[in-house]
Amino acid sequence: EVQLVESGGGLVQPGRSLRLSCAASGFTFTDYAMHWVRQAPGKGLEWVSGITWNSGSIHYADSVKGRFAISRDNVRNSLYLQMNSLRAEDTALYYCAKGRYGAWSGFDFWGQGSLVTVSS
Amino acid sequence: DIQMTQSPSSLSASVGDRVTITCQASQDISKYLNWYQQKAGKAPTLLIYDASNLKTGVPSRFSGSGSGTDFTLTISSLQPEDFATYYCQQYDHLPLTFGGGTKVEIK
Repeated sequence: EVQLVESGGGLVQPGRSLRLSCAASGFTFTDYAMHWVRQAPGKGLEWVSGITWNSGSIHYADSVKGRFAISRDNVRNSLYLQMNSLRAEDTALYYCAKGRYGAWSGFDFWGQGSLVTVSS
Repeated sequence: DIQMTQSPSSLSASVGDRVTITCQASQDISKYLNWYQQKAGKAPTLLIYDASNLKTGVPSRFSGSGSGTDFTLTISSLQPEDFATYYCQQYDHLPLTFGGGTKVEIK
């Protein structure tokens, strides 16, 4: 059974940093791209970033480019999102999502999310 | 970026009704479209990929159609567990983008 468990969320002041983690199990982690998708309170879904199985290709939404960094550890079966220079508009539930076949074809399993609140 | 427009943004329906949700892309995305279901307080789940392929385990009352710029998600006979918000998502071009969602509520 595929399991994705996010951690690291919390309340942070504007301009500060936070690092999210996602522990993956139940599938061969090195076979798939992984992604972060966020959902602001009461709003829709927004893709944030994705990374291929070997970290050879990484992409970001324009809204986070230059501030966020995605990475993965294929030994620990873990995905990370380093979030710097946080803004109020980054407040959201951040989901870790497993990519479908190929790197950029969407998401076939999602974690339960980690809530990030940016406020002074 | 490719804009995805869903309609309606919400609808009220009864158990047993046939429900249709549309999704329009701002440019041709071929068949590169997924549909997700999100129940209140839960993570989204994949329903349909490549515009019309049902993910294993998804009930056959769900179906998807379309290509190019116009797509449809149909629920042939709405069940109590189908009340949720539905999102389309394109993967023809980065960034991956979602529609705004359609909330299906109980009439």
